[in-house]
Amino acid sequence: NAGVTQTPKFQVLKTGQSMTLQCAQDMNHNSMYWYRQDPGMGLRLIYYSASEGTTDKGEVPNGYNVSRLNKREFSLRLESAAPSQTSVYFCASSPREGTEAFFGQGTRLTVV
Amino acid sequence: DQQVKQNSPSLSVQEGRISILNCDYTNSMFDYFLWYKKYPAEGPTFLISISSIKDKNEDGRFTVFLNKSAKHLSLHIVPSQPGDSAVYFCAASARGETSGSRLTFGEGTQLTVNP
Repeated sequence: NAGVTQTPKFQVLKTGQSMTLQCAQDMNHNSMYWYRQDPGMGLRLIYYSASEGTTDKGEVPNGYNVSRLNKREFSLRLESAAPSQTSVYFCASSPREGTEAFFGQGTRLTVV
Repeated sequence: DQQVKQNSPSLSVQEGRISILNCDYTNSMFDYFLWYKKYPAEGPTFLISISSIKDKNEDGRFTVFLNKSAKHLSLHIVPSQPGDSAVYFCAASARGETSGSRLTFGEGTQLTVNP
């Protein structure tokens, strides 16, 4: 039972490059989330999808876009990476909004 | 504004003693509270939760206390073990809201349990 799977685990980008972080869950959860973790800032919500077909902005959405491809998959795209987007990114899913979320292993992204 | 705050960035305790991690919140709409544990290079894992209709929830060595009037919750770990050394995040949600209910996290507290 894989749970929440994120790819890649590590990535180094140059400023201005684009990339997509992939996330898939196999728990048949309705809600999916993207968080970033920065030192002293905790986990901050970037975007979330309460259910298939819907997406909404979280606390820190600027510079990101998301796609809820189907019930299983929720991707995060950086169109033009900036050094301020250097962070650890976590995807999570939950049966429904506001309940226990299950997290992936994270993607450590460095933008130089 | 930071709706969920963990004012202690770090806590160090001796093995076998009690660890108490604290969390304060400001949003009175929050009605569900959770604690997560995070080891380095791993994702956070759910530890324990409490609904606002309760003031205590226990699961083995872990107990969460909720004081609604003070908007404060705490996690007690008794007895503490070296394997408990991790970052602990508290989180809250407003499940009663019709939309926009999602988890809001605190900054985290690094717990170190010394043998």
